[in-house]
Amino acid sequence: DAGITQSPRYKITETGRQVTLMCHQTWSHSYMFWYRQDLGHGLRLIYYSAAADITDKGEVPDGYVVSRSKTENFPLTLESATRSQTSVYFCASSWTGYYGYTFGSGTRLTVV
Amino acid sequence: DQQVKQNSPSLSVQEGRISILNCDYTNSMFDYFLWYKKYPAEGPTFLISISSIKDKNEDGRFTVFLNKSAKHLSLHIVPSQPGDSAVYFCAASATSGSRLTFGEGTQLTVNP
Repeated sequence: DAGITQSPRYKITETGRQVTLMCHQTWSHSYMFWYRQDLGHGLRLIYYSAAADITDKGEVPDGYVVSRSKTENFPLTLESATRSQTSVYFCASSWTGYYGYTFGSGTRLTVV
Repeated sequence: DQQVKQNSPSLSVQEGRISILNCDYTNSMFDYFLWYKKYPAEGPTFLISISSIKDKNEDGRFTVFLNKSAKHLSLHIVPSQPGDSAVYFCAASATSGSRLTFGEGTQLTVNP
């Protein structure tokens, strides 16, 4: 199916565990982004990628790792999950960096 | 440093009336502005945008106004409908850049 998909939709994990959130897009968009949504903070950029093998930090990168070996995939890894990383995570993709973003449906992550 | 700010966390209006959502920004490099709409359990979807070379852009019931001197933009919805009830995010970017910066969001409730 064409589009941008995130998996899993819901995840509960324990403090200290490593967890990976997946993002896959079928348009061959150059840019991909990871945002987290928290009440009172809106959407904050964690990491973004302008092309395969090119990634850069956003506003809140600490505790997260990304990679982009293929254009269509942009996984986000929490190396050692903390309760403050409980959030809803959205992946997005775009042809440009400044507009035209399409978002996935999100992953709700709870760290207990 | 919140570069895009939506000062009203919530707004409630009657069906058929006008909804006005406001957004302020601080970064003078921003020259492209967008509004996204988000329903529960879904990702944000693009609604309308405006370039800094314009001061108004209309799309059906939705109009965005930009006041560059005040670094302020607003979204007008006329007439408001119950299906417009959602969280609205203001976003800004520099066309020379590679990321969108979002505000905190405003929860709009349109009462029948």
